[in-house]
Amino acid sequence: KAGVTQTPRYLIKTRGQQVTLSCSPISGHRSVSWYQQTPGQGLQFLFEYFSETQRNKGNFPGRFSGRQFSNSRSEMNVSTLELGDSALYLCASSVGHLSSYNEQFFGPGTRLTVL
Amino acid sequence: GQQVMQIPQYQHVQEGEDFTTYCNSSTTLSNIQWYKQRPGGHPVFLIQLVKSGEVKKQKRLTFQFGEAKKNSSLHITATQTTDVGTYFCAGPDRDDKIIFGKGTRLHILP
Repeated sequence: KAGVTQTPRYLIKTRGQQVTLSCSPISGHRSVSWYQQTPGQGLQFLFEYFSETQRNKGNFPGRFSGRQFSNSRSEMNVSTLELGDSALYLCASSVGHLSSYNEQFFGPGTRLTVL
Repeated sequence: GQQVMQIPQYQHVQEGEDFTTYCNSSTTLSNIQWYKQRPGGHPVFLIQLVKSGEVKKQKRLTFQFGEAKKNSSLHITATQTTDVGTYFCAGPDRDDKIIFGKGTRLHILP
């Protein structure tokens, strides 16, 4: 079975721009979660999507949004980029939603640099 | 808000020595998961503990979940160079948002 894939792997943007990141979960997985990883804050939960619905959202501003498609693929969008948005963005998929004690499989991440 | 603390932040051990990382939550957890992230890699699921006092073993790794379900530990016996990486614990808050500890970075000295 193919693992979780994320595109692009690396991205450089400037302040004020917007960016869209993509995540393809493992086949059959219906839950996709997004995380931001930085050296200072560690791994922080952004949101979880399950069956095209956002089940949960972390403490991030409204500039961070996402969606999930009927094939479970998910996209994450960050508008009006700030320097502090530079981070590794990870998505993780699981068979069921996170409250069902499901194991998460992480993708390789997208390294976003904001200049 | 709920916090998950991990100690130590860094650990250097000689190859062959044991290693332990501790995870403490400010509130009771329904379950706790452990992940390993190699340098330059992504987190990889190791195990999930659900029951109070649960102990699980994976070869040289021993995982424990405290009786009060507020703390957990990961112990590695006789470390090897392949054990290098950062070990994270994670648990759901009351809203089912996953909270990760800051991780313990393990360095192995040859």
